[in-house]
Amino acid sequence: GAVVSQHPSWVICKSGTSVKIECRSLDFQATTMFWYRQFPKQSLMLMATSNEGSKATYEQGVEKDKFLINHASLTLSTLTVTSAHPEDSSFYICSARGLAGLSSYNEQFFGPGTRLTVL
Amino acid sequence: AQSVTQLDSQVPVFEEAPVELRCNYSSSVSVYLFWYVQYPNQGLQLLLKYLSGSTLVKSINGFEAEFNKSQTSFHLRKPSVHISDTAEYFCAVSEFRTSYGKLTFGQGTILTVHP
Repeated sequence: GAVVSQHPSWVICKSGTSVKIECRSLDFQATTMFWYRQFPKQSLMLMATSNEGSKATYEQGVEKDKFLINHASLTLSTLTVTSAHPEDSSFYICSARGLAGLSSYNEQFFGPGTRLTVL
Repeated sequence: AQSVTQLDSQVPVFEEAPVELRCNYSSSVSVYLFWYVQYPNQGLQLLLKYLSGSTLVKSINGFEAEFNKSQTSFHLRKPSVHISDTAEYFCAVSEFRTSYGKLTFGQGTILTVHP
């Protein structure tokens, strides 16, 4: 099956520093990757959608200058949280979707998530 | 815009008892429907999905869900739960051929199976 990895699985950083999270599709080419954040005991909220080679599309209320997304290749997308603050502490999950096949729906495959704690 | 409501935030149940996790959605167009399961500190795993065809869909571990268009529901059921089913379950919707597969999730239901 399709596998998506994230690195790191957890990170602790000081307030004001930047943190980069990687999302990789290991056995398929991901034309589209999605980034979600999940607060404790809450649902996943879509932050942005990125297509390989183009700028990410951010959801309403998500600061694009704070959450920088790069999707430079068909197997890698990165999320950089710039000047992180304690309120950015959350569980960040990516998902990846490959090229459309015969099915009318192209399934997303989720990574295991990255827990960010900002002190 | 699409939205998903999971009516129960927590469902405690005893082992081998039946369970139903409720999910209702709202959308102005046709949708695809999904149930995902999340174990602690892990990402999401697809449990089952409805794309088209038979309105009753089943997973390999005994869960099933039925798409009810008139009631805009996609409730998840299992006739006999195990301790290992303890997890958080998310219902999700994706609008048919629009929004490029963007998923909207419900608030989640924590299923706790007691011995």
